[in-house]
Amino acid sequence: EAGVVQSPRYKIIEKKQPVAFWCNPISGHNTLYWYLQNLGQGPELLIRYENEEAVDDSQLPKDRFSAERLKGVDSTLKIQPAELGDSAVYLCASSSSAGPGELFFGEGSRLTVL
Amino acid sequence: DQQVKQNSPSLSVQEGRISILNCDYTNSMFDYFLWYKKYPAEGPTFLISISSIKDKNEDGRFTVFLNKSAKHLSLHIVPSQPGDSAVYFCAATSYNFNKFYFGSGTKLNVKP
Repeated sequence: EAGVVQSPRYKIIEKKQPVAFWCNPISGHNTLYWYLQNLGQGPELLIRYENEEAVDDSQLPKDRFSAERLKGVDSTLKIQPAELGDSAVYLCASSSSAGPGELFFGEGSRLTVL
Repeated sequence: DQQVKQNSPSLSVQEGRISILNCDYTNSMFDYFLWYKKYPAEGPTFLISISSIKDKNEDGRFTVFLNKSAKHLSLHIVPSQPGDSAVYFCAATSYNFNKFYFGSGTKLNVKP
Protein backbone atom coordinates (compact mmCIF):
# COMPACT_ATOMS: atom_id res chain seq x y z
CA GLU A 1 0.00 0.00 0.00
CA ALA A 2 1.39 3.36 -1.02
CA GLY A 3 1.91 5.88 1.74
CA VAL A 4 1.21 9.59 1.78
CA VAL A 5 3.04 11.21 -1.12
CA GLN A 6 4.19 14.81 -1.05
CA SER A 7 5.97 17.00 -3.56
CA PRO A 8 8.26 18.74 -3.90
CA ARG A 9 10.57 17.43 -1.18
CA TYR A 10 12.60 20.62 -1.19
CA LYS A 11 11.87 24.11 -2.43
CA ILE A 12 14.00 27.24 -2.27
CA ILE A 13 12.42 30.53 -3.23
CA GLU A 14 12.95 34.22 -2.68
CA LYS A 15 10.62 36.13 -0.42
CA LYS A 16 7.44 37.45 -2.00
CA GLN A 17 7.41 34.56 -4.48
CA PRO A 18 4.53 32.07 -4.53
CA VAL A 19 4.95 28.37 -3.71
CA ALA A 20 2.67 25.36 -3.79
CA PHE A 21 2.86 21.94 -2.18
CA TRP A 22 0.98 18.87 -3.28
CA CYS A 23 -0.21 15.89 -1.28
CA ASN A 24 -1.74 12.56 -2.24
CA PRO A 25 -3.10 10.75 0.82
CA ILE A 26 -3.40 7.03 1.41
CA SER A 27 -6.17 5.56 -0.71
CA GLY A 28 -9.46 5.52 1.15
CA HIS A 29 -8.40 7.99 3.83
CA ASN A 30 -11.09 10.63 4.08
CA THR A 31 -9.29 12.92 6.51
CA LEU A 32 -6.34 14.96 5.32
CA TYR A 33 -4.18 17.30 7.37
CA TRP A 34 -1.57 19.90 6.61
CA TYR A 35 0.91 20.50 9.41
CA LEU A 36 3.69 23.03 9.81
CA GLN A 37 6.86 21.95 11.56
CA ASN A 38 9.42 24.52 12.57
CA LEU A 39 12.91 23.49 13.55
CA GLY A 40 13.00 21.96 17.03
CA GLN A 41 9.24 21.94 17.39
CA GLY A 42 6.43 19.49 16.94
CA PRO A 43 3.96 19.57 14.06
CA GLU A 44 1.26 22.25 14.29
CA LEU A 45 -2.03 21.91 12.47
CA LEU A 46 -2.71 24.31 9.62
CA ILE A 47 -5.86 22.79 8.16
CA ARG A 48 -7.89 19.59 8.32
CA TYR A 49 -10.18 18.24 5.62
CA GLU A 50 -12.98 15.73 5.91
CA ASN A 51 -13.39 14.65 2.29
CA GLU A 52 -13.42 17.93 0.38
CA GLU A 53 -14.61 20.08 3.27
CA ALA A 54 -12.17 22.12 5.35
CA VAL A 55 -13.49 21.44 8.86
CA ASP A 56 -10.70 23.14 10.81
CA ASP A 57 -8.69 25.97 9.28
CA SER A 58 -8.50 28.14 12.37
CA GLN A 59 -4.68 28.07 12.38
CA LEU A 60 -4.25 28.79 8.67
CA PRO A 61 -2.94 32.34 8.02
CA LYS A 62 -5.55 33.14 5.43
CA ASP A 63 -3.96 36.36 4.25
CA ARG A 64 -1.23 34.43 2.48
CA PHE A 65 -2.04 30.74 2.80
CA SER A 66 -4.69 28.84 0.90
CA ALA A 67 -5.51 25.18 0.49
CA GLU A 68 -7.84 23.06 -1.52
CA ARG A 69 -8.84 19.45 -1.73
CA LEU A 70 -10.75 19.01 -4.93
CA LYS A 71 -12.75 15.77 -5.25
CA GLY A 72 -11.76 14.85 -1.70
CA VAL A 73 -8.49 13.17 -2.66
CA ASP A 74 -5.36 15.19 -3.53
CA SER A 75 -4.68 18.47 -1.80
CA THR A 76 -2.63 21.56 -2.54
CA LEU A 77 -1.29 24.08 -0.05
CA LYS A 78 -0.27 27.45 -1.44
CA ILE A 79 1.64 30.38 0.02
CA GLN A 80 1.49 33.72 -1.75
CA PRO A 81 3.55 35.73 -1.12
CA ALA A 82 6.10 33.78 0.91
CA GLU A 83 7.89 35.46 3.82
CA LEU A 84 11.18 34.60 5.48
CA GLY A 85 9.34 33.19 8.49
CA ASP A 86 7.58 30.63 6.32
CA SER A 87 10.77 28.59 6.09
CA ALA A 88 9.78 25.26 7.63
CA VAL A 89 8.73 21.72 6.79
CA TYR A 90 5.17 21.31 5.57
CA LEU A 91 3.80 17.90 6.44
CA CYS A 92 0.76 16.26 4.97
CA ALA A 93 -0.98 13.47 6.86
CA SER A 94 -4.07 11.36 6.36
CA SER A 95 -6.23 9.12 8.48
CA SER A 96 -9.25 6.90 8.15
CA SER A 97 -12.49 8.51 9.23
CA ALA A 98 -12.92 5.63 11.68
CA GLY A 99 -10.97 7.41 14.31
CA PRO A 100 -9.23 8.66 16.04
CA GLY A 101 -6.64 6.10 15.06
CA GLU A 102 -3.24 7.25 13.99
CA LEU A 103 -2.06 9.76 11.44
CA PHE A 104 0.05 8.64 8.53
CA PHE A 105 2.53 11.30 7.48
CA GLY A 106 4.24 12.02 4.22
CA GLU A 107 7.95 12.79 4.08
CA GLY A 108 7.30 16.51 4.12
CA SER A 109 8.18 19.45 1.92
CA ARG A 110 11.03 21.57 3.21
CA LEU A 111 10.66 25.23 2.25
CA THR A 112 13.50 27.71 2.41
CA VAL A 113 12.64 31.35 1.82
CA LEU A 114 15.63 33.60 1.06
CA ASP B 1 -0.54 27.60 25.02
CA GLN B 2 1.10 24.24 24.56
CA GLN B 3 -1.24 21.46 25.57
CA VAL B 4 1.33 18.70 25.13
CA LYS B 5 4.82 19.16 26.51
CA GLN B 6 8.02 17.21 26.25
CA ASN B 7 10.40 18.90 28.62
CA SER B 8 13.52 16.96 27.68
CA PRO B 9 14.82 18.04 24.29
CA SER B 10 17.40 15.25 24.24
CA LEU B 11 18.29 11.96 25.87
CA SER B 12 21.38 9.80 25.54
CA VAL B 13 21.49 6.14 26.61
CA GLN B 14 23.80 3.19 26.15
CA GLU B 15 22.82 0.37 23.84
CA GLY B 16 20.99 -2.37 25.73
CA ARG B 17 19.79 -0.08 28.50
CA ILE B 18 16.31 1.35 28.99
CA SER B 19 15.23 4.61 27.36
CA ILE B 20 12.44 6.52 29.09
CA LEU B 21 10.83 9.43 27.26
CA ASN B 22 8.32 11.59 29.08
CA CYS B 23 5.33 13.65 28.05
CA ASP B 24 2.88 15.84 29.97
CA TYR B 25 -0.47 17.21 28.87
CA THR B 26 -2.85 19.79 30.25
CA ASN B 27 -6.20 19.09 28.59
CA SER B 28 -8.31 16.60 30.55
CA MET B 29 -10.43 16.03 27.41
CA PHE B 30 -7.59 14.09 25.79
CA ASP B 31 -8.34 10.39 25.81
CA TYR B 32 -6.05 8.95 23.17
CA PHE B 33 -2.29 9.28 23.09
CA LEU B 34 0.31 8.38 20.50
CA TRP B 35 4.05 8.27 20.08
CA TYR B 36 5.70 9.00 16.77
CA LYS B 37 9.29 8.45 15.71
CA LYS B 38 11.05 10.67 13.21
CA TYR B 39 14.31 10.15 11.38
CA PRO B 40 16.03 13.11 9.67
CA ALA B 41 14.50 14.10 6.33
CA GLU B 42 11.57 11.74 6.84
CA GLY B 43 8.03 12.24 8.05
CA PRO B 44 6.99 11.04 11.52
CA THR B 45 5.97 7.39 11.69
CA PHE B 46 3.50 5.96 14.16
CA LEU B 47 5.04 3.89 16.93
CA ILE B 48 2.51 3.04 19.63
CA SER B 49 -0.70 4.40 21.13
CA ILE B 50 -2.78 4.12 24.27
CA SER B 51 -6.38 4.83 25.11
CA SER B 52 -7.28 6.50 28.38
CA ILE B 53 -9.15 3.38 29.51
CA LYS B 54 -5.77 1.68 29.85
CA ASP B 55 -2.68 2.54 31.83
CA LYS B 56 -0.22 0.44 29.85
CA ASN B 57 0.24 -0.77 26.32
CA GLU B 58 3.09 -2.94 25.05
CA ASP B 59 4.40 -3.65 21.59
CA GLY B 60 7.63 -5.59 21.53
CA ARG B 61 10.41 -3.46 22.98
CA PHE B 62 8.10 -0.44 23.33
CA THR B 63 5.76 0.18 26.25
CA VAL B 64 3.68 3.28 26.88
CA PHE B 65 2.46 4.08 30.37
CA LEU B 66 -0.37 6.51 31.08
CA ASN B 67 -0.99 8.22 34.42
CA LYS B 68 -4.27 10.10 33.97
CA SER B 69 -4.29 11.69 37.40
CA ALA B 70 -0.88 13.22 36.75
CA LYS B 71 -1.65 13.90 33.07
CA HIS B 72 1.61 12.17 32.23
CA LEU B 73 2.68 9.48 29.84
CA SER B 74 5.99 7.84 29.17
CA LEU B 75 7.52 5.66 26.51
CA HIS B 76 9.90 2.91 27.58
CA ILE B 77 12.23 1.27 25.11
CA VAL B 78 13.89 -1.90 26.36
CA PRO B 79 16.50 -2.79 25.29
CA SER B 80 17.53 0.33 23.41
CA GLN B 81 19.23 -0.16 20.06
CA PRO B 82 21.30 2.27 17.96
CA GLY B 83 18.56 2.18 15.30
CA ASP B 84 16.20 3.72 17.86
CA SER B 85 18.15 6.98 17.62
CA ALA B 86 15.59 9.47 16.35
CA VAL B 87 13.29 12.25 17.50
CA TYR B 88 10.24 11.02 19.39
CA PHE B 89 7.03 13.04 19.44
CA CYS B 90 4.20 12.58 21.86
CA ALA B 91 0.70 13.42 20.57
CA ALA B 92 -2.73 13.63 22.13
CA THR B 93 -6.27 13.78 20.85
CA SER B 94 -9.82 13.02 21.82
CA TYR B 95 -12.40 10.58 20.50
CA ASN B 96 -14.69 13.61 20.22
CA PHE B 97 -12.54 15.47 17.74
CA ASN B 98 -9.97 14.62 15.13
CA LYS B 99 -7.37 17.19 16.16
CA PHE B 100 -3.96 16.02 17.26
CA TYR B 101 -1.67 18.05 19.49
CA PHE B 102 2.04 17.32 19.40
CA GLY B 103 4.85 17.89 21.84
CA SER B 104 8.10 19.48 20.72
CA GLY B 105 9.95 16.18 20.60
CA THR B 106 12.82 14.44 22.38
CA LYS B 107 15.92 13.52 20.44
CA LEU B 108 17.10 10.09 21.54
CA ASN B 109 20.68 9.02 20.95
CA VAL B 110 21.49 5.39 21.63
CA LYS B 111 25.24 4.89 21.85
CA PRO B 112 26.75 1.58 20.70
